[in-house]
Amino acid sequence: DVKVTQSSRYLVKRTGEKVFLECVQDMDHENMFWYRQDPGLGLRLIYFSYDVKMKEKGDIPEGYSVSREKKERFSLILESASTNQTSMYLCASSEPTGEKLFFGSGTQLSVL
Amino acid sequence: SQQGEEDPQALSIQEGENATMNCSYKTSINNLQWYRQNSGRGLVHLILIRSNEREKHSGRLRVTLDTSKKSSSLLITASRAADTASYFCATEPSKGIQGAQKLVFGQGTRLTINP
Repeated sequence: DVKVTQSSRYLVKRTGEKVFLECVQDMDHENMFWYRQDPGLGLRLIYFSYDVKMKEKGDIPEGYSVSREKKERFSLILESASTNQTSMYLCASSEPTGEKLFFGSGTQLSVL
Repeated sequence: SQQGEEDPQALSIQEGENATMNCSYKTSINNLQWYRQNSGRGLVHLILIRSNEREKHSGRLRVTLDTSKKSSSLLITASRAADTASYFCATEPSKGIQGAQKLVFGQGTRLTINP
């Protein structure tokens, strides 16, 4: 079974802190994604990557950056966390010609 | 931008009844997918239907797609308490980014199955 692992289920950070959210997949998938999920807004794509060191902006990249140094790992970085970045963050991966996404369990981030 | 919109936003039925959720979208698509999310967890893929398909079945799930109306429905038959979850439709636009599909998710339908 494909496994997508997010490093933390719950995270509490202070405004202005630099925050790293880590995601690792074990199925050698080329594509990896970061979404955030907010009540009433559904899932919104922040960034995605289709290869090592490649990244593309999604619909809401402002305030975020990403890193993909190894194929299995895709990191989401909040350079200076703000309260409006309090959200559920979901990582996903897929094969290059695959059509479905495999999701991690999510990280609930609270920025105080 | 929000592509898929589910209807209703919330649905509460008795165990054993059928549950129907609908999804509408705006642009042409390659495929439409349904995902389930248990409370506070990640999403799990349920079923995919391609733009040239009209109906698909998987166990107790039945999905229909009407591209002329840009809509889809998910039917769960003989519902169980374990079906309680949020259900999301996701569309892959037909003019997607090469090299990585870019699914667009709706806001979801919250389904509650009462014992």
